[in-house]
Amino acid sequence: AQSVTQLDSQVPVFEEAPVELRCNYSSSVSVYLFWYVQYPNQGLQLLLKYLSGSTLVESINGFEAEFNKSQTSFHLRKPSVHISDTAEYFCAVSEIAAGNKLTFGGGTRVLVKP
Amino acid sequence: DAGVIQSPRHEVTEMGQEVTLRCKPISGHNSLFWYRQTMMRGLELLIYFNNNVPIDDSGMPEDRFSAKMPNASFSTLKIQPSEPRDSAVYFCASRSPGQGATDTQYFGPGTRLTVL
Repeated sequence: AQSVTQLDSQVPVFEEAPVELRCNYSSSVSVYLFWYVQYPNQGLQLLLKYLSGSTLVESINGFEAEFNKSQTSFHLRKPSVHISDTAEYFCAVSEIAAGNKLTFGGGTRVLVKP
Repeated sequence: DAGVIQSPRHEVTEMGQEVTLRCKPISGHNSLFWYRQTMMRGLELLIYFNNNVPIDDSGMPEDRFSAKMPNASFSTLKIQPSEPRDSAVYFCASRSPGQGATDTQYFGPGTRLTVL
């Protein structure tokens, strides 16, 4: 069975500083990897995903994540955060053979301070 | 497109009462997922449907929970009788037909359920 661990439950960061959110997964088969973002009182939105090819994937709002198969990690980074990045971020994994089910990590709450 | 629509947005009820949560997926999507989010357990998949058929309900907590999808544009999650430990935010998500796991799930705004 697949599982996802997000090591940090909360990450406070100052505006314009860099941030890294850690995600490690466990699976016996190949996986697809996702990062979702949840703004206050809203549903989850896809931020970016890794399916195949280049191990570095980017979002339109400056986030990037790198798939590292040997370390079974998919850490999310942004070089300079904005106040509007305050949200909860969820890493998720889907086993390719299983097809449909997403397993989510516990989430990391990012609080951007001015 | 209006996105995934859930109703009600908030529900407060008393223990023992029946609760029905509703979801309208995005038009054209053929997969629908129900999730529950709590502080203690995070996001849990309860059940999902493909083409209106329940595929995996292993996440449904117990017999008090049931879900139906009578047609492609509507699904319900029912809790009867409700208990205080059912208090959570319940999300519905839908996905378009395609390559299965590679396609994005689109989430609704959620229903915040409080059982007193």
